[in-house]
Amino acid sequence: AQSVTQLGSHVSVSEGALVLLRCNYSSSVPPYLFWYVQYPNQGLQLLLKYTSAATLVKGINGFEAEFKKSETSFHLTKPSAHMSDAAEYFCAVSQLYNFNKFYFGSGTKLNVKP
Amino acid sequence: KAGVTQTPRYLIKTRGQQVTLSCSPISGHRSVSWYQQTPGQGLQFLFEYFSETQRNKGNFPGRFSGRQFSNSRSEMNVSTLELGDSALYLCASSSTGQAHYEQYFGPGTRLTVT
Repeated sequence: AQSVTQLGSHVSVSEGALVLLRCNYSSSVPPYLFWYVQYPNQGLQLLLKYTSAATLVKGINGFEAEFKKSETSFHLTKPSAHMSDAAEYFCAVSQLYNFNKFYFGSGTKLNVKP
Repeated sequence: KAGVTQTPRYLIKTRGQQVTLSCSPISGHRSVSWYQQTPGQGLQFLFEYFSETQRNKGNFPGRFSGRQFSNSRSEMNVSTLELGDSALYLCASSSTGQAHYEQYFGPGTRLTVT
């Protein structure tokens, strides 16, 4: 069985501060992991993905995430928050042969204060 | 390339009615997945189609059904609508349908059941 837990439904940071959004997964086989961002009234946009290559994955808009098997984590970070980063972020897990059945976390709303 | 398109964007229906939502994937994509997004349950997988065949299904009642056409366009149908079916329905397309390929999401159809 697969599942994703995102700690913190709301995270607030100041502009220019570090962004850290947490994601822990549960998977019985090696997972594929994704981070998506959703702006109001829009669909989801892919930020980055882990597919068993490098454990440190760089994505768009300056985001990156590190796959840590021992901690079953895939936390999303960005060194310096920008006002435009305010959105909801979703972590998702999938498995080989599971044909696009993504399991999503409950989401984390990021607020960026000026 | 044009993105994933969903029609209509907004829909209001009455309990007991049925509804059909449409999704046009990115050109060349053969896999289409559907998700339901609600504040209480988050993003939940409905089903996935690849080359007109349903390959994967989530835990939804039989009132939720879908199909895919030879041009990869997909429709989902909800019969005998209930208030709890009010949600944002997201469609996502993928090129190969393999789990490690990212899914591209449409803007969604906001369904309100009164």
